Amino acid sequence: ETGVTQTPRHLVMGMTNKKSLKCEQHLGHNAMYWYKQSAKKPLELMFVYNFKEQTENNSVPSRFSPECPNSSHLFLHLHTLQPEDSALYLCASSQDLGGESTEAFFGQGTRLTVV
Amino acid sequence: GQNIDQPTEMTATEGAIVQINCTYQTSGFNGLFWYQQHAGEAPTFLSYNVLDGLEEKGRFSSFLSRSKGYSYLLLKELQMKDSASYLCAVRDSNYQLIWGAGTKLIIKP
Repeated sequence: ETGVTQTPRHLVMGMTNKKSLKCEQHLGHNAMYWYKQSAKKPLELMFVYNFKEQTENNSVPSRFSPECPNSSHLFLHLHTLQPEDSALYLCASSQDLGGESTEAFFGQGTRLTVV
Repeated sequence: GQNIDQPTEMTATEGAIVQINCTYQTSGFNGLFWYQQHAGEAPTFLSYNVLDGLEEKGRFSSFLSRSKGYSYLLLKELQMKDSASYLCAVRDSNYQLIWGAGTKLIIKP
């Protein structure tokens, strides 16, 4: 248990579906992140939120839409995805964006398959 | 561009020592992290280096040379449960984490 909870753990969706991934942390952290992890590739940072404000959008296609209603919750809304979007989506949180150490705590991820 | 290189896969024997290397070229440097990720699980933090030298934490140690853009993770007295992927990440001048693709470590009895 890392203190960061993601649901669902597994998701299969069609290309015309709309679904949402949920992330919750009760560590009192101020920064939250969405990452995409594909097999044998580096983690790709998608979005960063700090104090509920989006500070980073790494050229992510608009079919991925993040939402951060408060500092404990983060959503990733998905619509009209492509098969190449199939991957493990990881949520993470950290105390702040910078500073000493400030390691990130990860959720267990949502394994997404787009069919 | 920014780049983190680490071996794709390594194999070692239970009870032995293994060293996983990581080299990096990034825009600035604000620390290097090592994470462990078991299959199907969340990456978990192992170590952080910001100054040159060796950081020891039980069976695991991490070394950094900023002038060489190089780090290694040293695992001693290997146990079967150490079979996992080990991820190297560098925080650049914008405090963004740049990740390597990970090294899959296979431990054999």
